Amino acid sequence: RKEVEQDPGPFNVPEGATVAFNCTYSNSASQSFFWYRQDCRKEPKLLMSVYSSGNEDGRFTAQLNRASQYISLLIRDSKLSDSATYLCVVNKPGNTGKLIFGQGTTLQVKP
Amino acid sequence: EAGVTQFPSHSVIEKGQTVTLRCDPISGHDNLYWYRRVMGKEIKFLLHFVKESKQDESGMPNNRFLAERTGGTYSTLKVQPAELEDSGVYFCASSQLIPGLAHEQYFGPGTRLTVT
Repeated sequence: RKEVEQDPGPFNVPEGATVAFNCTYSNSASQSFFWYRQDCRKEPKLLMSVYSSGNEDGRFTAQLNRASQYISLLIRDSKLSDSATYLCVVNKPGNTGKLIFGQGTTLQVKP
Repeated sequence: EAGVTQFPSHSVIEKGQTVTLRCDPISGHDNLYWYRRVMGKEIKFLLHFVKESKQDESGMPNNRFLAERTGGTYSTLKVQPAELEDSGVYFCASSQLIPGLAHEQYFGPGTRLTVT
């Protein structure tokens, strides 16, 4: 079983749609959670950290469910520019900065 | 503020040759990380420096890989001798050293290594 699992998609949605991505992680001791965005042949860019209370940044909302070891990302009012791969990322427990990446979920927003 | 930079952006070498990748972290970031993505797979951790010290090198594939960070500034990752399976994109990331906070890491553009 992978340490971080995501549905690879692709998710094809029209502009203006709401889309949700899910992710599960295997190590219950993980403390830090992130969503990164990666465009084709580019580096991952930090989209948002995910906090226990959930957090929102404009059209993006992230939720964490520790009991189920589940993280979600909701994108409202999708834009063409949201087309990218979204990476669910979890830290390796312990005094380390090691990040564990999911394989990513591909989003294609169409006009 | 300049982001993480990496050099070269691309490298094509033959099996058995040596390649050295360089990473310059964001100024003031004491944490520096190397990651690698091979085709079709997820990004995987290689190692983590805190200043000039190796904090965690559990992800280094084998002793053909040598990472250094002399002086705690830029870092190099040398592959010697390169094998076909070393092909992939090597990312460097950096973060601040703030105890108790999530390690928000910022990535460089990567070096695309092709071993033929």
